Amino acid sequence: EVQLVQSGAELKKPGESLRISCKGSGYSFTTYWIGWVRQMPGKGLEWMGIIYPDDSDTRYSPSFQGQVTISADRSITSAYLQWNNLKASDTAIYYCVRQRRQGTVWYFDYWGQGTLVAVSS
Amino acid sequence: SSELTQDPAVSVALGQTVRITCQGDSLRSYYASWYQQKAGQAPVLVIYGKNKRPSGIPDRFSGSGSGNTASLIITGARAEDEADYHCDSRDSSGNHVVFGGGTKLTVL
Repeated sequence: EVQLVQSGAELKKPGESLRISCKGSGYSFTTYWIGWVRQMPGKGLEWMGIIYPDDSDTRYSPSFQGQVTISADRSITSAYLQWNNLKASDTAIYYCVRQRRQGTVWYFDYWGQGTLVAVSS
Repeated sequence: SSELTQDPAVSVALGQTVRITCQGDSLRSYYASWYQQKAGQAPVLVIYGKNKRPSGIPDRFSGSGSGNTASLIITGARAEDEADYHCDSRDSSGNHVVFGGGTKLTVL
C-alpha cells in the first residue's frame, strides 16, 4: 500500500527555521516525482515544487523559488520542505504529493495527510 | 493569480447532475486532473487524463474537455459529494503545475 506520512504540526516564531518531512512507503521511492502543495487557511491549493529522488532534480514554482528548499534522502525514502526565515504568511497546511507522469499527463495520485505550520509571535 | 479559473461555488439538487468547470489556456494543450477535498481532509484524486478514474472512485464522476475548458461531471449527486473540487494542469510552459482556485460544491 502506497503511503505518504508527514511530520507533525509545528508552531514557530517569525524568523525561525523549519524543516518538515514526508516519508514514502509501499512503492519505489526513487522512481516517482514527489512534491509539495500549500493550502493557506480557507484558500485553494498552490503547487510549490517537486523533486525526483533518484537524481535530486528539483523544480520550483516561480512563486516559491528562493523562498523554500525541497530536498530528498533516498536512503530513508523521505522528502523535505525547508524554510530559513519563516513569516506569518507561511501559516498554512502543507501536503506532500506523489506525481505520476504518463506521457504528457501529469497528476498527483497520492497525498500525505498534511502538516499544519503556524507562524506567530 | 491562478492560470486556471474555477467558479467559487456551485450547488446541485440531490440526485441531479452537476458540471464543475476549469478554464485556462494551458488546457488547450494538457489534460486537467480533478481532486475532491472534504472538510478537514487531504485532497483525493478523482479524475485524470482523458476521463480516467482511480480505483475506488465511483463511476458517477467523469471528466471532459473542450478548447480551454475542462469539466468535472457528477451524475446523480449524493450528499457525500459535498466538498471542494480543485482542478490542476501543467502550465503554459509545460514545466510546472498550476491549480485552479477551487469550487465549493453544495448538495441541496
